[in-house]
Amino acid sequence: DTAVSQTPKYLVTQMGNDKSIKCEQNLGHDTMYWYKQDSKKFLKIMFSYNNKELIINETVPNRFSPKSPDKAHLNLHINSLELGDSAVYFCASSLRGGIGHEQYFGPGTRLTVT
Amino acid sequence: QQQVKQSPQSLIVQKGGISIINCAYENTAFDYFPWYQQFPGKGPALLIAIRPDVSEKKEGRFTISFNKSAKQFSLHIMDSQPGDSATYFCAASPQAGTALIFGKGTTLSVSS
Repeated sequence: DTAVSQTPKYLVTQMGNDKSIKCEQNLGHDTMYWYKQDSKKFLKIMFSYNNKELIINETVPNRFSPKSPDKAHLNLHINSLELGDSAVYFCASSLRGGIGHEQYFGPGTRLTVT
Repeated sequence: QQQVKQSPQSLIVQKGGISIINCAYENTAFDYFPWYQQFPGKGPALLIAIRPDVSEKKEGRFTISFNKSAKQFSLHIMDSQPGDSATYFCAASPQAGTALIFGKGTTLSVSS
C-alpha cells in the first residue's frame, strides 16, 4: 500500500487553464503539506494543513488554492496556469510534534505548462 | 535569505569511499534536522534525522554529525556504493512535524 499517493503523476496543460492535483495519505497523520520543486531541484514549502486547517501559507500566488476535505486528503487547485508554474509538486504528511513526526513524501506530480 | 545552506552542490566519490555533505543553518529556533534522499522521478525519502540534544546519530552506513555551537550538521556515507547515487537534501524545522526548510541539494555520483 502506498503511504502518500498523488494523482496525476504527469500533467501537461496550456497557459490559462485550471487544474487540480490530488493527494491522499493512509498513515493516520494529522498534518499535510504541499511542496514545490523547481527545475534546479530546490524544494520549497507552499502550504501546510493540520486537521483540515491551514497552518502555513507561504508567499504563493492566490491562483493556488489548497483544500483539505478531511485529514487524509489535501488537494491543490491552480487557476490561470502560467509558464512559471511548471515544476514538480510534492505532497507530504506527518504527525504534528511528538513521536513519529517523520515527514513522508508522495511520488510527485510533474506539471508542465505550455 | 537562505536559511539552510548546503554544500557541495555535486560530489563524485569512488566506490567504497566516504561521502560527506555539509549543511549550515541560521535560525537557532530550528530543532529538527533530517536528511532526505531523492532518486530521479521519485519523491524525497527520509534517510536519517537528528535533534540538537545529540552530537551524532548513526544508522547503518549513514551518520549525522551535529555541531550546535557552529550551527552546522553533516551527513557521512561510509563505504559509498553506486546505488547511493542520488540527490541528498538536508532540512530543518523549528519542530518535528512542521514544514521543512530545505538546503539546495547535493548530487552524489558514486563511481564503480
